[in-house]
Amino acid sequence: DTGVSQDPRHKITKRGQNVTFRCDPISEHNRLYWYRQTLGQGPEFLTYFQNEAQLEKSRLLSDRFSAERPKGSFSTLEIQRTEQGDSAMYLCASSYRKGPAGEKLFFGSGTQLSVL
Amino acid sequence: DQQVKQNSPSLSVQEGRISILNCDYTNSMFDYFLWYKKYPAEGPTFLISISSIKDKNEDGRFTVFLNKSAKHLSLHIVPSQPGDSAVYFCAASAGGQNFVFGPGTRLSVLP
Repeated sequence: DTGVSQDPRHKITKRGQNVTFRCDPISEHNRLYWYRQTLGQGPEFLTYFQNEAQLEKSRLLSDRFSAERPKGSFSTLEIQRTEQGDSAMYLCASSYRKGPAGEKLFFGSGTQLSVL
Repeated sequence: DQQVKQNSPSLSVQEGRISILNCDYTNSMFDYFLWYKKYPAEGPTFLISISSIKDKNEDGRFTVFLNKSAKHLSLHIVPSQPGDSAVYFCAASAGGQNFVFGPGTRLSVLP
């Protein structure tokens, strides 16, 4: 169990550029979540997958954001035409859900995005 | 519309004493709750959880209490240690859907 891995740890980009982040979950986990966190706030839900199916996407999420989880393994989060307001820590978490209770999210260390 | 609230942005406690962190929620459909701890430059780490069918869950120095009628839960840390200094997040889920996090409380345990 190597934990949840996120790449890169830091990303600096210019406004208008596209960026892509990668998350490798714990291998036996079937759920994968993306959250965004800004200073002084808690993690804000973006989207989650169960296996390769994207089950929910935040209503607040701009259509500039897209996420994929091909084959139910790693996931990518892409932000197109970045804006300064996209600057945040992007957190990935995974879990194994087999029933109605007991799910725990295991987080990666995050990708810190700075849009100049 | 903040469904999970942590009204104390910060808390300071003396080492060895009890730390009590509070969390309130508005969505009566929430049926599962978790507490996370976060150090700077790291992702949140799971501490303890509780299902709505219980009113208390204990794990070592950490105990979580749930009051469903008041839509309130609290995390007790006894005894508090300097290594407990971190930001603590409360999170809630309804019917196995996504988790909603509170804004966090920064705990400082003073030696």
